Amino acid sequence: AQKVTQAQTEISVVEKEDVTLDCVYETRDTTYYLFWYKQPPSGELVFLIRRNSFDEQNEISGRYSWNFQKSTSSFNFTITASQVVDSAVYFCALSERDAGNNRKLIWGLGTSLAVNP
Amino acid sequence: EAQVTQNPRYLITVTGKKLTVTCSQNMNHEYMSWYRQDPGLGLRQIYYSMNVEVTDKGDVPEGYKVSRKEKRNFPLILESPSPNQTSLYFCASSFSGYQETQYFGPGTRLLVL
Repeated sequence: AQKVTQAQTEISVVEKEDVTLDCVYETRDTTYYLFWYKQPPSGELVFLIRRNSFDEQNEISGRYSWNFQKSTSSFNFTITASQVVDSAVYFCALSERDAGNNRKLIWGLGTSLAVNP
Repeated sequence: EAQVTQNPRYLITVTGKKLTVTCSQNMNHEYMSWYRQDPGLGLRQIYYSMNVEVTDKGDVPEGYKVSRKEKRNFPLILESPSPNQTSLYFCASSFSGYQETQYFGPGTRLLVL
């Protein structure tokens, strides 16, 4: 079973719509970290946000916002008033310690977002 | 400018011809890593290094070698490339490990014929 699940493989919206990308994770670690990265069509991976497990405050950065809910093991990402430049693949990742106390980084498979004019 | 650089960005080669993809970071990061990205499989880690002269296998190390002789450089070596190593490769670095933000290079698109 996936430890980081991005259930939406592809999403298509029209410009100015709000869109939420889901990320559900599974971990037994008490101190873990969650990340979101963006991969635009040009291919590079761009860091968006890092959140540790003790900080459940939601984060807003311009049109981007993140909702971290430990109770449901989710770290969802919302883009408000989407723009064509938001078209990209978005990855969620989890950093946790495994049974051997080794910290690992586990990636979701990504959600491809297409924002159409 | 703080960055991770990779070279070459694009490479077409033939089966069996040894190649090296270079990676360099100027952020004094201890941790560096190589990933490959394939459609439907996401990002998979090839090798990582926690510090100079310390390297370890990731999830898909077969067919690859790495070295970390200097803190800033982490080259990826394909001794005898095969077509199944055709992929998009990323180098990444972070200050001290997986709990920190990883910063990625621009990627290297490799085609092995």
